[in-house]
Amino acid sequence: KAGVTQTPRYLIKTRGQQVTLSCSPISGHRSVSWYQQTPGQGLQFLFEYFSETQRNKGNFPGRFSGRQFSNSRSEMNVSTLELGDSALYLCASSHREETQYFGPGTRLLVL
Amino acid sequence: GENVEQHPSTLSVQEGDSAVIKCTYSDSASNYFPWYKQELGKGPQLIIDIRSNVGEKKDQRIAVTLNKTAKHFSLHITETQPEDSAVYFCAAKGSGGSNYKLTFGKGTLLTVNP
Repeated sequence: KAGVTQTPRYLIKTRGQQVTLSCSPISGHRSVSWYQQTPGQGLQFLFEYFSETQRNKGNFPGRFSGRQFSNSRSEMNVSTLELGDSALYLCASSHREETQYFGPGTRLLVL
Repeated sequence: GENVEQHPSTLSVQEGDSAVIKCTYSDSASNYFPWYKQELGKGPQLIIDIRSNVGEKKDQRIAVTLNKTAKHFSLHITETQPEDSAVYFCAAKGSGGSNYKLTFGKGTLLTVNP
């Protein structure tokens, strides 16, 4: 099976812009979780979607949002970008409530 | 919410030696504990996991132990090789609902010297 894919892999934006990141889960996986990884804060949970419904949300401002489509693909959006949003954004998929498999991530740089 | 502490933050060993990384968690309801290896420029890769109804699990050179009473779990790598060099993360997950998310430790940078 193909693994989790994320696009784009790298992105440069300026403050105030918005960005949309995409994640395609492993075939058959219906749960998609998003994490932010920074050197200072480590891996932090953003949100989790299952069957197009947000099931859990981490402690991030409302500028961070996401959605899941009927084919389980997911997108996350960050509006009004800040310098501190520079990070590696990781998507993970799982089958029901089992092991999470991560994609390679999207590295976002906000200038 | 859940809090996971991981030690040490850096670990340097000679090739062939063993490496041990330890984690503690705060939520006694957590029931799933995976370990991930992250190499430079890549996403975390699952290397081993353990559920709360098991005390120990082994996969070739890698083993994980869990002490539910003390709320800590450890990763053991034997006969280390240079390709084991990476950042290792422990994580804990609750049983469902609002607890269905991984809480990660801060990571351990393991360096295996040839």
